[in-house]
Amino acid sequence: AQSVAQPEDQVNVAEGNPLTVKCTYSVSGNPYLFWYVQYPNRGLQFLLKYITGDNLVKGSYGFEAEFNKSQTSFHLKKPSALVSDSALYFCAVRDGGATNKLIFGTGTLLAVQP
Amino acid sequence: DADVTQTPRNRITKTGKRIMLECSQTKGHDRMYWYRQDPGLGLRLIYYSFDVKDINKGEISDGYSVSRQAQAKFSLSLESAIPNQTALYFCATSGDRDNSPLHFGNGTRLTVT
Repeated sequence: AQSVAQPEDQVNVAEGNPLTVKCTYSVSGNPYLFWYVQYPNRGLQFLLKYITGDNLVKGSYGFEAEFNKSQTSFHLKKPSALVSDSALYFCAVRDGGATNKLIFGTGTLLAVQP
Repeated sequence: DADVTQTPRNRITKTGKRIMLECSQTKGHDRMYWYRQDPGLGLRLIYYSFDVKDINKGEISDGYSVSRQAQAKFSLSLESAIPNQTALYFCATSGDRDNSPLHFGNGTRLTVT
């Protein structure tokens, strides 16, 4: 069955330090993987996606994500965190070979301390 | 995302009432979706529509219905609201490819008392 897991409910990081938000997935075919960010009282905003090709994907606001097929992971990263990066982050996966449905993880709250 | 507009932004209603949440988009997308967000559960798909004549149930469609009035409009109805339908509801659109990202509205916060 298609699924996505975000093992951390919250990630705390100091401003200027690198950040990682973890995501693992399970699909039967080739995955389409997405990261979205949600700021308070707003809808989700698309950050980046992996379809095929280069395992390192670059997205908006300096974020990037690394696709690892053997570990079935798609972790979100940023070299230097900003206080304004504090938000709720969602990983999502679509099975490129079977269903049209997009499955979201439960979200990870990123808190960046000044 | 101003391209996807949801009304109302907030709504408080009583158990048993019928309520409609509306969504309109100016992105020209054929695909539209309704999601529900609950703390600790992420987003769950209620209904989706790939064009005006196409309506599909998502994973949690019980207690909900939808209407696709036009390419740009997709409304969600709760025929008889119950307290466990208290949640944040999002409308979204996407392009026609399965790898197209979703574009979300700002949500409707619904409280059923």
